[in-house]
Amino acid sequence: AQKVTQAQTEISVVEKEDVTLDCVYETRDTTYYLFWYKQPPSGELVFLIRRNSFDEQNEISGRYSWNFQKSTSSFNFTITASQVVDSAVYFCALSDREGGADGLTFGKGTHLIIQP
Amino acid sequence: SAVISQKPSRDICQRGTSLTIQCQVDSQVTMMFWYRQQPGQSLTLIATANQGSEATYESGFVIDKFPISRPNLTFSTLTVSNMSPEDSSIYLCSAQGINEKLFFGSGTQLSVL
Repeated sequence: AQKVTQAQTEISVVEKEDVTLDCVYETRDTTYYLFWYKQPPSGELVFLIRRNSFDEQNEISGRYSWNFQKSTSSFNFTITASQVVDSAVYFCALSDREGGADGLTFGKGTHLIIQP
Repeated sequence: SAVISQKPSRDICQRGTSLTIQCQVDSQVTMMFWYRQQPGQSLTLIATANQGSEATYESGFVIDKFPISRPNLTFSTLTVSNMSPEDSSIYLCSAQGINEKLFFGSGTQLSVL
């Protein structure tokens, strides 16, 4: 069975600080896909990134970066120089099919609060 | 990216009634999914809806309670039947786009009195 653990229920930082959201996953599959989604107060889930299990390169997109460590089954997400607009709930998710074709297993989410 | 529209965005319903949620995608998609997000909780997959076949339900969800239709490649509905307060949740539709990214609608916030 697949499982995603986001141990941080809520994180509060002051604007411009860097913040890392942790994600630890469990799966028996050798091929799997990891995702991060952002859920702002409006409720819509915004796709941030998809990473497959064969690609351990870290990725950077603007102020966002992701650190995939297969050895520790972690896929952590860092926001650099945080902004108030980054305030949202962030979900890490796992699938054994590309694009989540069998549906995603979500973590419980981390509520990120960026204070001005 | 695919644009997914869900209706209604929110509703308040009486116990024992049913509500049908509509999900419209702006492009043809093979896979559509329905998720439930209970208050303060994560998302749980209810079922996968493929066009031309019956929906596939996850453990804990049954067709009598959550009947799903998928009449074509751009549309699906989820009905929450015989509602009770425990059904109060956000229900989200999602679809797999041509680049295989999974996109979500903005959800339907359901409150059952």
